[in-house]
Amino acid sequence: GAVVSQHPSWVICKSGTSVKIECRSLDFQATTMFWYRQFPKQSLMLMATSNEGSKATYEQGVEKDKFLINHASLTLSTLTVTSAHPEDSSFYICSARSFTTGNYEQYFGPGTRLTVT
Amino acid sequence: QKEVEQDPGPLSVPEGAIVSLNCTYSNSAFQYFMWYRQYSRKGPELLMYTYSSGNKEDGRFTAQVDKSSKYISLFIRDSQPSDSATYLCAMLQGAQKLVFGQGTRLTINP
Repeated sequence: GAVVSQHPSWVICKSGTSVKIECRSLDFQATTMFWYRQFPKQSLMLMATSNEGSKATYEQGVEKDKFLINHASLTLSTLTVTSAHPEDSSFYICSARSFTTGNYEQYFGPGTRLTVT
Repeated sequence: QKEVEQDPGPLSVPEGAIVSLNCTYSNSAFQYFMWYRQYSRKGPELLMYTYSSGNKEDGRFTAQVDKSSKYISLFIRDSQPSDSATYLCAMLQGAQKLVFGQGTRLTINP
């Protein structure tokens, strides 16, 4: 149980275009979803936290107009990188958490590798 | 100073060795401590989860927390080549935010 999927697993886009990444909880309802970014050989950095039906809360230094997050249902959150630039190339990972489990565990997706050319 | 410090390695040990991975932290507000394993180009997988100071054992893995020293450890006994991965410590800040260490790259040599 507690499986989180991401789509696509790998995407290449041209500079200036937008790309959408999906995060789905497959076998539980995710009241909260998180988006992280990980650069090569570096740790995961939290970008934003989203609760179903609410606006996302962004971490300091993360541009909310550039990284659009939507959490419209209890099983789906999307991250849209708008007007992507080469410096946005990174590994984006989502995680999901359900308060019904009664613990603090976050279940992570397999990640999406974004390359902006 | 980073809130969570972790030696990035790389760490290379022979199969069967005991591995010790460590993190230090500066924020006394951290209450929950986790260890994740991440294989290359994959998402992190939770290994251990502890709250109080002391030891917690799960199979070949032992997590140790010393809140007085702000120091946590993960021990892997009888290490296997399949244990080769990056190990990340993480700490819960508040109710939701996980703060990760940089991760230690571990290689177990057959």
